[in-house]
Amino acid sequence: AQSVTQPDIHITVSEGASLELRCNYSYGATPYLFWYVQSPGQGLQLLLKYFSGDTLVQGIKGFEAEFKRSQSSFNLRKPSVHWSDAAEYFCAVANTGTASKLTFGTGTRLQVTL
Amino acid sequence: SQTIHQWPATLVQPVGSPLSLECTVEGTSNPNLYWYRQAAGRGLQLLFYSVGIGQISSEVPQNLSASRPQDRQFILSSKKLLLSDSGFYLCACRRGFMNTEAFFGQGTRLTVV
Repeated sequence: AQSVTQPDIHITVSEGASLELRCNYSYGATPYLFWYVQSPGQGLQLLLKYFSGDTLVQGIKGFEAEFKRSQSSFNLRKPSVHWSDAAEYFCAVANTGTASKLTFGTGTRLQVTL
Repeated sequence: SQTIHQWPATLVQPVGSPLSLECTVEGTSNPNLYWYRQAAGRGLQLLFYSVGIGQISSEVPQNLSASRPQDRQFILSSKKLLLSDSGFYLCACRRGFMNTEAFFGQGTRLTVV
């Protein structure tokens, strides 16, 4: 069965500092991978996605993520965090069949200090 | 692009009462549809997903059920709510048979009292 682990429940960074949020997945084949962001009381917005090809993917709001098959990881990065980036971030994996299940991690809450 | 409509936005229901949350989708046909529940500190728990009309896969045994009476309609129901059913419920949609991301509705905050 597919699964996602986000080991950091809560991270605090200073504005302007770099950010890396960790994500590890479990899936038998090459998965589809996603990062979403959620503001309080809202739905989820897609930041970026990986399906195939270049393992470094660029997303919105200056985020990027790198797929590392050998480590089963898909970590999210941003070189300089802005106060508006404070939110909850979710990593997700989807299987590649037509009966496509989309599984999320438990999320990482990002706090940004000024 | 797809638009997901979820209602109501908030709901307060007594224990033992029935529940019906509706999700409708615009902008695509034959989508994959999902119901998730979000509880504090537990991330998004996949409850049900559907790849077509009348086709429902349940991920966890629980007090809830789902139905898909039309291609772009997905309903989450309960006959008798429990306190533990409280949470934030999200409906999501992906294009069927394609490598795409999921789009989410704005969610329903359910409080069972």
